[in-house]
Amino acid sequence: EAEVAQSPRYKITEKSQAVAFWCDPISGHATLYWYRQILGQGPELLVQFQDESVVDDSQLPKDRFSAERLKGVDSTLKIQPAELGDSAMYLCASSVGPADSPLHFGNGTRLTVT
Amino acid sequence: QKEVEQNSGPLSVPEGAIASLNCTYSDRGSQSFFWYRQYSGKSPELIMFIYSNGDKEDGRFTAQLNKASQYVSLLIRDSQPSDSATYLCAVNRGNQFYFGTGTSLTVIP
Repeated sequence: EAEVAQSPRYKITEKSQAVAFWCDPISGHATLYWYRQILGQGPELLVQFQDESVVDDSQLPKDRFSAERLKGVDSTLKIQPAELGDSAMYLCASSVGPADSPLHFGNGTRLTVT
Repeated sequence: QKEVEQNSGPLSVPEGAIASLNCTYSDRGSQSFFWYRQYSGKSPELIMFIYSNGDKEDGRFTAQLNKASQYVSLLIRDSQPSDSATYLCAVNRGNQFYFGTGTSLTVIP
């Protein structure tokens, strides 16, 4: 079964450093999402792409976070500089596109900022 | 008011029993409804989705949707210890997904 690929699985970084996460969605999935999940809470949307275009980045802290999906396939999420409060699970998900299509999640990246 | 509300639990059931997980949503424009299972330290895994009022069954799992009451539930029959996890309810409205905070389920052997 096709999967959403994410890397790295784990990342430990010091505050003020830069960190980047990579995601490759399921082939053919036009819609790609980046979520952040804090322990004990549900995933919260950071950014949503439709092909290479940003559909929603209203919750993305743009002073430190950036995301791109240049060719409409894989995507990178960057944090610079990282803060202690950024420690969380970062989840990438993709869907075929129509509103009733389910999200398929990657394994996630567990970020710890020290 | 939160878009999606779930009882955080923990919910404990004995092995072999039926586990009932509930979710309410605030916007009547919500179109589709999803249940995800999340083991500790892992990412969410899709269990079921439902679009129409009524019941949808898949193996030991049954999703129930009542749009008039804005209520979605997940029943797990013959619960197994391996079902112990957090269950996330999600709704889609306007191509946006909204997640609840999840219900922690423990199945006691």
